[in-house]
Amino acid sequence: DAGVIQSPRHEVTEMGQEVTLRCKPISGHNSLFWYRQTMMRGLELLIYFNNNVPIDDSGMPEDRFSAKMPNASFSTLKIQPSEPRDSAVYFCASMVGAGGGTGELFFGEGSRLTVL
Amino acid sequence: AQTVTQSQPEMSVQEAETVTLSCTYDTSESDYYLFWYKQPPSRQMILVIRQEAYKQQNATENRFSVNFQKAAKSFSLKISDSQLGDAAMYFCAYRRPTQGGSEKLVFGKGTKLTVNP
Repeated sequence: DAGVIQSPRHEVTEMGQEVTLRCKPISGHNSLFWYRQTMMRGLELLIYFNNNVPIDDSGMPEDRFSAKMPNASFSTLKIQPSEPRDSAVYFCASMVGAGGGTGELFFGEGSRLTVL
Repeated sequence: AQTVTQSQPEMSVQEAETVTLSCTYDTSESDYYLFWYKQPPSRQMILVIRQEAYKQQNATENRFSVNFQKAAKSFSLKISDSQLGDAAMYFCAYRRPTQGGSEKLVFGKGTKLTVNP
């Protein structure tokens, strides 16, 4: 069974450009999370969805960041315009929501973003 | 807000020896989940072990076990018979139980474990 699939694995872009990160959660998982990992700040939750609805986006740094989940099998995280301080590894994770599952988050392999 | 603290940024252990990684958390909830995740250099986050707060018995998974002290809000990870493949970043995480919806995991800053041959 395929795990959480993220693309691209690596992205190098120039400041000011738009960046779109993609995620396909595990089939049957109804909760999806976007995390950002940096050396300075560790793992930060940016936003999470339950049944395709954003539940908590308080971690989204600013208006340059936006996330969507148009259906149960796809989510995007967009940064426009990108800045060097956005350089980080972005993880997508999914799990079975309340009433089922073990509470375990399943992570993708991450997308490493470098903004020059 | 819940917080998770890992006071040891780095730890090292000799191969075949035992090491304990510390984690404390702050919460006013009585029921919750605790996790240890491992992140090797490949950066894939992998669940090592989980503990439900209502269970008094400490969770174990092969060479990995926890010491869960609910009153002290402590959740340490013990790795026995350390192997070179155990070298990684280890993250402690906390999650409230869900009530009709998902809930986020709050992570500590991580502990980098080095295993010396």
